[in-house]
Amino acid sequence: GENVEQHPSTLSVQEGDSAVIKCTYSDSASNYFPWYKQELGKGPQLIIDIRSNVGEKKDQRIAVTLNKTAKHFSLHITETQPEDSAVYFCAAITPGGGADGLTFGKGTHLIIQP
Amino acid sequence: SQTIHQWPATLVQPVGSPLSLECTVEGTSNPNLYWYRQAAGRGLQLLFYSVGIGQISSEVPQNLSASRPQDRQFILSSKKLLLSDSGFYLCAWSSAGRNYGYTFGSGTRLTVV
Repeated sequence: GENVEQHPSTLSVQEGDSAVIKCTYSDSASNYFPWYKQELGKGPQLIIDIRSNVGEKKDQRIAVTLNKTAKHFSLHITETQPEDSAVYFCAAITPGGGADGLTFGKGTHLIIQP
Repeated sequence: SQTIHQWPATLVQPVGSPLSLECTVEGTSNPNLYWYRQAAGRGLQLLFYSVGIGQISSEVPQNLSASRPQDRQFILSSKKLLLSDSGFYLCAWSSAGRNYGYTFGSGTRLTVV
């Protein structure tokens, strides 16, 4: 089955700096890669996603890049703000996999230092 | 638009007591439904998923069970809670056959004492 590795497990950055979270996946058949943000005591919320036919996608301060050859994808947050502090999960969907084939990474705790 | 409701938000239960957590989805039909658990730390552990009424797949053998009595209702149960059942429980749904990921509910914080 699919295996998704996520790094780092904890990331601390100064407010205003950029943050990058990286994920690798093992199954070359995976074709959809969502990112979720989970604030304390809440359920994860989808913040951005990318499909395998696209190399990069941006939404204001958030961007995701995908390298299919290397099987890795990354979340980029620019001009970080205190409200960006949360746990972020990457995921990969493999068509035909059980439970819709969605495999999550273990999460990154992003801390924005004032 | 589609919405997912999960309740209760918090629950404190004694060891050995039963459990029932409920999740409902509105605005869609025949969704795939999921129960996840987050213990201390961050990981999302898939417990059960369902692709239709009465169809339940268990990912992890444990003290819990799930049922889907109606198309948009998913219930997580236990006959006798253990201390190790404490955690944050999340329900989620996805559109069957559509590759768009999951939408999560707001979660239930369960503390077994």
